[in-house]
Amino acid sequence: SQTIHQWPATLVQPVGSPLSLECTVEGTSNPNLYWYRQAAGRGLQLLFYSVGIGQISSEVPQNLSASRPQDRQFILSSKKLLLSDSGFYLCAWSPSTGYNSPLHFGNGTRLTVT
Amino acid sequence: RKEVEQDPGPFNVPEGATVAFNCTYSNSASQSFFWYRQDCRKEPKLLMSVYSSGNEDGRFTAQLNRASQYISLLIRDSKLSDSATYLCVVNIWAAGNMLTFGGGTRLMVKP
Repeated sequence: SQTIHQWPATLVQPVGSPLSLECTVEGTSNPNLYWYRQAAGRGLQLLFYSVGIGQISSEVPQNLSASRPQDRQFILSSKKLLLSDSGFYLCAWSPSTGYNSPLHFGNGTRLTVT
Repeated sequence: RKEVEQDPGPFNVPEGATVAFNCTYSNSASQSFFWYRQDCRKEPKLLMSVYSSGNEDGRFTAQLNRASQYISLLIRDSKLSDSATYLCVVNIWAAGNMLTFGGGTRLMVKP
């Protein structure tokens, strides 16, 4: 069966520091991969999605970036964090075939920028 | 107008009650629909897909009304463990597998 791993679970970082969150999927190949952010008490905001290695689409312009160096690895980065980057970051995957597929989420990373 | 709208609630109901949530979507090209459940400070988890003819999974029933562009979730015989936020999710196939999430409806089941 497929599993998705995301780490770290929690992170406290000062303003201006870099960020790297990692997500890996097991048990499937060529998945669609997604990064979402959920601010406190708010809905999910799609940040990036990827349909293949090196293919990244950005939904919201900001100081975050994403990379997909391997088929089942998705990384979210920032060179300099802002206070407004605090939130709950969720990685998700869906099968590459079929448009009727739900997303499956990792456990999330709770980021607090101080 | 938001693409997917939900009443944020909270809906406070006693154990054993029946409760229903509605969700409206703005894009008539939407093709697939889901309900997710999110517990406090946890990731969303798929509750059920929503099919055109309506579908049931135990105490949960989902309905789709394409003409009025809304989907619904009915929970019968509410349990304390049903307390959570329920997210309505819509997929517009023309944009690839891009799911749009509603803001969620919070349900609190009381003893």
